[in-house]
Amino acid sequence: QKEVEQNSGPLSVPEGAIASLNCTYSDRGSQSFFWYRQYSGKSPELIMSIYSNGDKEDGRFTAQLNKASQYVSLLIRDSQPSDSATYLCAVSKNQAGTALIFGKGTTLSVSS
Amino acid sequence: ETGVTQSPTHLIKTRGQQVTLRCSSQSGHNTVSWYQQALGQGPQFIFQYYREEENGRGNFPPRFSGLQFPNYSSELNVNALELDDSALYLCASSSGQASSYEQYFGPGTRLTVT
Repeated sequence: QKEVEQNSGPLSVPEGAIASLNCTYSDRGSQSFFWYRQYSGKSPELIMSIYSNGDKEDGRFTAQLNKASQYVSLLIRDSQPSDSATYLCAVSKNQAGTALIFGKGTTLSVSS
Repeated sequence: ETGVTQSPTHLIKTRGQQVTLRCSSQSGHNTVSWYQQALGQGPQFIFQYYREEENGRGNFPPRFSGLQFPNYSSELNVNALELDDSALYLCASSSGQASSYEQYFGPGTRLTVT
């Protein structure tokens, strides 16, 4: 079982729709969760961090965390063509010197 | 506020050579982590530097080494380059050594080994 799993996609949604990106993780000791957006040929850009169960909203983005189910998701409301990118889920254990563990990413395509 | 910078942007090396990649952390950040991202994969942790010392290491051989300087900038050195070392090398800085701190990536260095 991979440590962090994401559907590779592509996930295709029309402009204005809600895009739902999902991520599961295997280590129950994981405490911090991050979503990064990566445009083709560019480096990852931090979108959201979430540490507690529940929802966290920032503009059009909502991160959802369920530690009991070992599941984290990212919702993008009113999707725009500029949201077309690969979305990387990352988890960590909150310990000094430990890594962010990344999934392979989900490619999102928003059509106009 | 100055973001994370990396140099060079692109690099082509021959198998067996050595390479040094450089990173300047975001202002106010004292921790630098290095990641390797192969095509189609998520970034993989190489190591982290905090207060000029290696603070944690991923599953990479000793030919991957690094340094951190008093101004928190960092270098990644790779000796005896192999074809599989071709990847995007990412530096991320954060304001603390725990992995709960948000990490911000630089633009990366694309290394091609021929």
